[in-house]
Amino acid sequence: DTGVSQNPRHKITKRGQNVTFRCDPISEHNRLYWYRQTLGQGPEFLTYFQNEAQLEKSRLLSDRFSAERPKGSFSTLEIQRTEQGDSAMYLCASSPLLRDTQYFGPGTRLTVL
Amino acid sequence: AQSVTQLDSHVSVSEGTPVLLRCNYSSSYSPSLFWYVQHPNKGLQLLLKYTSAATLVKGINGFEAEFKKSETSFHLTKPSAHMSDAAEYFCVVSDKTVMKTSYDKVIFGPGTSLSVIP
Repeated sequence: DTGVSQNPRHKITKRGQNVTFRCDPISEHNRLYWYRQTLGQGPEFLTYFQNEAQLEKSRLLSDRFSAERPKGSFSTLEIQRTEQGDSAMYLCASSPLLRDTQYFGPGTRLTVL
Repeated sequence: AQSVTQLDSHVSVSEGTPVLLRCNYSSSYSPSLFWYVQHPNKGLQLLLKYTSAATLVKGINGFEAEFKKSETSFHLTKPSAHMSDAAEYFCVVSDKTVMKTSYDKVIFGPGTSLSVIP
């Protein structure tokens, strides 16, 4: 069990650029979640995958955001035409199918200039 | 609807003294409750979890929490604070009944920042 990993750990980009983050969950974890955390706040749910199917999306996930988990293993989160308000920590978590405990990665800190 | 309230945004204690971080929740049914800790530049780490078994839950690093349904509370305690306990603590509720897609919807509280004074 190597834990959930996320890459990159930090990303600085200019407004209007596209960015993509990757999450590698704990192997054999069927469920994968993306969260966004802004300074001084708790994480907010963005989206959820069970295997390769994206089953839930938050209203926070505007049409500039897209997430995939093509083979039911790693996942990517893409933000198109970034805005300064997208600056946040993006967290990924995974869990086994029949357990509700989520295991979090270290996050990707995005700064949009 | 689910919600989580952490009554103190910041708590400061002296090393060796007890820690109390307060959490109240709102949930329609019988939730699972968690406490997570986040150290600077580190990922969220699970401290402990309540899932309708014993109401007093013991976690890692000497932390424990007591589920009180009548008070809808799940306060986190530790008898003696250590410098390494300084971090952000999040109370989390997971409601199994909010499941149109059979996942556990979790709601994080806003967090309590714990400072430990030498």
